[in-house]
Amino acid sequence: DIQMTQSPSSLSASVGDRVTITCRASQSIGIYLNWYQQKPGKAPKVLIFSASSLKSGVPSRFSGSGSGTDFTLTINSLQPEDFATYYCQQSYTGHTFGQGTKLDIK
Amino acid sequence: QITLKESGPTLVKPTQTLTLTCSFSGFSLSTSGVGVGWIRQPPGKALEWLALIYWDDDKRYSPSLKSRLTITKDTSKNQVVLTMTNMDPVDTATYFCAQIGGFWSNYVYFDSWGQGTLVTVST
Repeated sequence: DIQMTQSPSSLSASVGDRVTITCRASQSIGIYLNWYQQKPGKAPKVLIFSASSLKSGVPSRFSGSGSGTDFTLTINSLQPEDFATYYCQQSYTGHTFGQGTKLDIK
Repeated sequence: QITLKESGPTLVKPTQTLTLTCSFSGFSLSTSGVGVGWIRQPPGKALEWLALIYWDDDKRYSPSLKSRLTITKDTSKNQVVLTMTNMDPVDTATYFCAQIGGFWSNYVYFDSWGQGTLVTVST
């Protein structure tokens, strides 16, 4: 099985900050990597697919990069509505999620 | 507009079989490229993919749970059913169904999600 490891597990930041979340795969997955945002009590929402493609309707302050085993999600100029938990997910073989990164207000 | 909704028991006893139904609208599972998956999330924990079924009845399962899972579709009813055998308290979770996107680009992701249903496993 492919394991997905996110870092950090939690992160405190302020409105207007730029934050980066990292996701590492246990083996090469090309660009078969997606990012989701989840708010408490809600279903996840896809932000980025195939590592760097922005889902329609998602603000351009969200961006993704990487290939192989190392990926990043960057949020520029944090907005109040961005405080949530973020998950990466590989779709190279099956569908494995990372353990999540909780982003809260500093 | 695409909507999905999960339904099933809120409480099951250990060793019982769980049956969950995903009822959807706004798309058809008889259309090429369409798929519906199940994902669960224990309270306060991470997401875990369980199973996925495609329009052509191709089925995929999480390797760690494959022996306990069965996914089926009823195209005429716009429903996908997941059964999980031998339930245990560690299976307590919110269970989500979701439609996939990106099939034709080969980069599949979970696009539209249901609201989820909490299933508790307890005596």
